[in-house]
Formats: sequence, structure tokens, C-alpha cells
Amino acid sequence: VQLQESGPGLVRPSETLSLTCTVSGGSFSSSYWAWIRQPPGKGLEWIAYVSYTGIRNYNPSLESRVTIDTSENQLSLRLSSVTAADTAVYYCARLYGLVVWAFDIWGPGTVVTVSS
Amino acid sequence: EVVMTQSPATLSVSPGERATLSCRASQSISSSLAWYQQKPGQAPRLLIYGASTRATGIPARFSGSGSGTEFTLTISSLQSEDFAVYYCQQYNNWPPISFGQGTRLEIK
Repeated sequence: VQLQESGPGLVRPSETLSLTCTVSGGSFSSSYWAWIRQPPGKGLEWIAYVSYTGIRNYNPSLESRVTIDTSENQLSLRLSSVTAADTAVYYCARLYGLVVWAFDIWGPGTVVTVSS
Repeated sequence: EVVMTQSPATLSVSPGERATLSCRASQSISSSLAWYQQKPGQAPRLLIYGASTRATGIPARFSGSGSGTEFTLTISSLQSEDFAVYYCQQYNNWPPISFGQGTRLEIK
């Protein structure tokens, strides 16, 4: 299984960040998929996860601004009203299982900068 | 929210020696803990889940222990490729799934 994030590298403040993650080489429908981000020089922050059947869960600190969805072999992320604090490397990842909520496969990440 | 605290922030160890990294949870998380390794410019890699089970392909020199609120990642004999940042992550009480702030393992 391989994951690849894509999307604009630069987003203006107050606009909406939109990213896509393409999953290849495995069964998309049998797993849960997540978005995680990492600000420059800082640690990891879980954003949300989604299943192919539409089960979703969000980080409460971001829930009001986040939309996560799936289609075909892709998952998407939309983060509205962005500020400089949303500048980060954004990763998509696979959840290992429904008991072990760890992330066993990651994409390489995509850098998103919020700046005017 | 469960707060994960890792110590030390930076650990300096010589190649061939043992490294011990700690992770503490603000409340009991049973054994619902994972460890990751991250090298510069790369995505994290899952090392350990369930506090002590090595993920696929992870060398035996990596071992995890602990339960409740105190956890340890031990690297028995450091190789050059082991110098990286290590994160712990809890998945017992969520949302949110939460990570520690990381321990940087550097060459002494």
C-alpha cells in the first residue's frame, strides 16, 4: 500500500486548505484513513480519520473547521479559515486496525504554507 | 484529553550503547501506546504498538514496555540509522488521539 498527498503548497489566510491523498496497491475500503500534521520544528497532531463507509472522527480542537471525506481510492481534507498556525507538513496515514489505533503506513507528506 | 509527556527532550548516546526513552500519560491508557521513529524530511515510521509489540520489519533491538501511565522504549545497541526523533502516541482515550512532543536521540 502506498499513499501520496497532493494539493496547493501555498494558501492565503482566511481561505480554505484542500488536500487529497491517493491510496494505491491495497484495499481502500477495508481500512480507516487519517490526516495528521506537523508544524515546522514541532510534533505531530492528529486531525481526523474516516472510513470508506463514512465513519468519521475529528480532533475537537479542529472539528469546527475540518471536513474529511472519501471517494474511490482517495481521501480528502478541507480546513477552513486558515491562519499561519496551520502552516505544517500534512500527512495522510492508514490506521492499523479497529483495536490498534496506530498509524502503520504514511504518505511522504505535503508542505502547506499559509501566507499572503 | 490525555496529555503525553516524553523525557528527556534530547538524549545523547554513543553507537553500540543502550538508549532508554520514556513516555508518561496524564491518565491511565492501559497498553494502548505506540512508538514512532522520524528521520529528517521523512514521515514517521511505526515501531511499536500495544506498548510492546514490534511492527512488521522492526529489528529486535527495539523493545517497548509499560502499562497504565508509564512507558519505555529501549534500543539495545544503537546503530547509526537509529539516531532520529521518537514519538509516543496513545489510542486508549480519544478523541483526540494524542502524541508526545518527541525525544531527539543524538550521537554522543
